[in-house]
Amino acid sequence: DQQVKQNSPSLSVQEGRISILNCDYTNSMFDYFLWYKKYPAEGPTFLISISSIKDKNEDGRFTVFLNKSAKHLSLHIVPSQPGDSAVYFCAASLTGANNLFFGTGTRLTVIP
Amino acid sequence: EPEVTQTPSHQVTQMGQEVILRCVPISNHLYFYWYRQILGQKVEFLVSFYNNEISEKSEIFDDQFSVERPDGSNFTLKIRSTKLEDSAMYFCARQGISYNEQFFGPGTRLTVL
Repeated sequence: DQQVKQNSPSLSVQEGRISILNCDYTNSMFDYFLWYKKYPAEGPTFLISISSIKDKNEDGRFTVFLNKSAKHLSLHIVPSQPGDSAVYFCAASLTGANNLFFGTGTRLTVIP
Repeated sequence: EPEVTQTPSHQVTQMGQEVILRCVPISNHLYFYWYRQILGQKVEFLVSFYNNEISEKSEIFDDQFSVERPDGSNFTLKIRSTKLEDSAMYFCARQGISYNEQFFGPGTRLTVL
């Protein structure tokens, strides 16, 4: 089951720069997408979400972009801060269902 | 929004033993989920539970697994006869204001020896 993919296992960014985390999906029936951040020994923390009827959603330093034709979404963090260092998971849900399909995660390291 | 708490934080058990993992909601929610994450792998959906009934379940959630809300408060995941491959982090989640958004607990690390 590889319906949601995060092809970059890790990413390093200098503090103050932009972090761009990418996610691809294969199921065109997904209608809602979410990003979660996870620290070691903690549960995933909800960051930001986007409905398939939109192509952008912004919340403070976090912006999610959705390109439905390419089945691709990305999370932009700007400016990046050392506290943003964590594993970021992309997730998606289907119309009429509530369970989430997760990607494998990308470990972001923000270098001071 | 407040999350959920989970107990225990770490459970070690022998293969073939039964384990019960608990999820305690901070406030009175109706929709709950269990997920697991095997070390190094992605978070996988197990089951959703709405108004004291299973709503959806994945292929992983076989006859060895069960969920219930015995006292109307705690939400439990039981594994009847644990296998080595059940070793994972188990996360409970509750539904947010938007039905698509879920808020996770800190997880229980299950180690099967």
